[in-house]
Amino acid sequence: AQSVTQPDIHITVSEGASLELRCNYSYGATPYLFWYVQSPGQGLQLLLKYFSGDTLVQGIKGFEAEFKRSQSSFNLRKPSVHWSDAAEYFCAVGSNFGNEKLTFGTGTRLTIIP
Amino acid sequence: ETGVTQTPRHLVMGMTNKKSLKCEQHLGHNAMYWYKQSAKKPLELMFVYNFKEQTENNSVPSRFSPECPNSSHLFLHLHTLQPEDSALYLCASSQASLGPLAEQYFGPGTRLTVT
Repeated sequence: AQSVTQPDIHITVSEGASLELRCNYSYGATPYLFWYVQSPGQGLQLLLKYFSGDTLVQGIKGFEAEFKRSQSSFNLRKPSVHWSDAAEYFCAVGSNFGNEKLTFGTGTRLTIIP
Repeated sequence: ETGVTQTPRHLVMGMTNKKSLKCEQHLGHNAMYWYKQSAKKPLELMFVYNFKEQTENNSVPSRFSPECPNSSHLFLHLHTLQPEDSALYLCASSQASLGPLAEQYFGPGTRLTVT
């Protein structure tokens, strides 16, 4: 069965600093990997996704993620965070049998301090 | 604006009540989903509908009953709920014909409190 681990429940970063959110997955085949963001009172919005090709994926809002098969990781990064990036971030893995089987991590809450 | 709306945004109901959650998508998608989001737990997929047909029921208790009358509307009928059912219920839609990488678009959710 597929699973996702986000080891950091809460991260605090100063505005303008760099950010890395960790995600480890468990899946038997080549995974479909996603990062979603949820702002307070909102639904989830897709930041980026990966299935094959270049292991460094660019997303919206200046985010990127790197797929490392050897480490079963798909960490999300941003070189300089903005106050508006404060939100909850979810990593998810999808099965080969369709997008219906998205398995989400427990999320990482990001706080930005001035 | 994600194109997926959910009503009501907040709902408080007693354990003996019957209520329904509504989801509507304006994106022309053909797949719709219900998720449950509880504090400190991963998002749980509850139901999936493709072309109005239910293709996934993730061992959800029968006190939750989904209905998909057409590809734009999705309901979740609730009856005799338990306090542990209190959570944020999220609806999502996607274009299933685009395959596994099709983005799911989420609504803002209904915050349900069972008293």
